[in-house]
Amino acid sequence: DAKTTQPNSMESNEEEPVHLPCNHSTISGTDYIHWYRQLPSQGPEYVIHGLTSNVNNRMASLAIAEDRKSSTLILHRATLRDAAVYYCILRGNQFYFGTGTSLTVIP
Amino acid sequence: DAGVIQSPRHEVTEMGQEVTLRCKPISGHDYLFWYRQTMMRGLELLIYFNNNVPIDDSGMPEDRFSAKMPNASFSTLKIQPSEPRDSAVYFCASSQFQGARNIQYFGAGTRLSVL
Repeated sequence: DAKTTQPNSMESNEEEPVHLPCNHSTISGTDYIHWYRQLPSQGPEYVIHGLTSNVNNRMASLAIAEDRKSSTLILHRATLRDAAVYYCILRGNQFYFGTGTSLTVIP
Repeated sequence: DAGVIQSPRHEVTEMGQEVTLRCKPISGHDYLFWYRQTMMRGLELLIYFNNNVPIDDSGMPEDRFSAKMPNASFSTLKIQPSEPRDSAVYFCASSQFQGARNIQYFGAGTRLSVL
């Protein structure tokens, strides 16, 4: 199964943009890139997904490298409510979460 | 819709006892997934169903674990007998379709403690 690599933790100041990186060098052509986040004591929730083109929704933006071997989740203005573990997942036939990036937002 | 509903939220039991976790998926979703989350192993897929039929149970750790989906609105994950190493948070998720674009919706989880 294709795997992803994310930093274990990141910090951001409140109301500043946050760029969460993900490497997925073994991605296949049919794998979608999904991002989920898990708030404390909650189940994971969907954030965004994409295949090749950059994607935007109300929660975040997803920037995908041209060779698709990496992607970046962008939170445009971090709030305290964005403190969570963010998972980058390659979605083909499997659904492997990995360890994710724990984001701390500093007031 | 109320989302995926899991019960109980917390379960404390003694080693050797039977434990049953319950899940109600979102109405209209044809796929149901059971996950286990621990500090050591992160979030692991245990089993998933399509139209109430188990499709892949390769993640089920051993024969002590069993899962059923008797109808489209209810699933159970049973551990018999339970052991302390089964202590974890168990999540249920459902989705409308399978495939690379599909989105899974998770319940709030059941925190299981086996003493």
